[in-house]
Amino acid sequence: DAKTTQPPSMDCAEGRAANLPCNHSTISGNEYVYWYRQIHSQGPQYIIHGLKNNETNEMASLIITEDRKSSTLILPHATLRDTAVYYCIVRVYNTDKLIFGTGTRLQVFP
Amino acid sequence: EPEVTQTPSHQVTQMGQEVILRCVPISNHLYFYWYRQILGQKVEFLVSFYNNEISEKSEIFDDQFSVERPDGSNFTLKIRSTKLEDSAMYFCASKGLAGSITDTQYFGPGTRLTVL
Repeated sequence: DAKTTQPPSMDCAEGRAANLPCNHSTISGNEYVYWYRQIHSQGPQYIIHGLKNNETNEMASLIITEDRKSSTLILPHATLRDTAVYYCIVRVYNTDKLIFGTGTRLQVFP
Repeated sequence: EPEVTQTPSHQVTQMGQEVILRCVPISNHLYFYWYRQILGQKVEFLVSFYNNEISEKSEIFDDQFSVERPDGSNFTLKIRSTKLEDSAMYFCASKGLAGSITDTQYFGPGTRLTVL
């Protein structure tokens, strides 16, 4: 089972920041948090990942709380093309598989 | 930017037939995966493959499934005798340059398998 909990859906106005929360209260010290998204039925697209420090790339920022029990993915200026299902995944230590949950369906509206 | 490619994009087959789904991972990647997603359901891990052998597999990956890297570029998933419940999107993924600290799986666009 997935080690994460996410809200099933969120809305965001185009041009505004989208903040997607994720709870992973049972995460272990050496387990990474990954974010992927899936647009329609396309292949999951990698967004960002982190261990304990906040991370930023050209797509998004990842804020991980100090206790590592939760994180937030931030899309700084959401566009209509960011409408997708966003998955927060904890990659369990010593296994290579990604365990997908049901994710958050983000709807960006004009 | 390099990407994982998959063929065909859509495969229709009769129940009981064998199908082979093909993937070309990102060049120089060393780790390969198959996942599937039944319509409306979660993405599920099937198998991981490294150094020409299966490194991990799920309960779904039974004797009807096999994987192979027949040459230096392709990675295939074979389903020997398809069942109706095998209808799904099948995603290939790859990761890992030798010596790289990158630990990210990159997914292909998927093959939609329809079993009639």
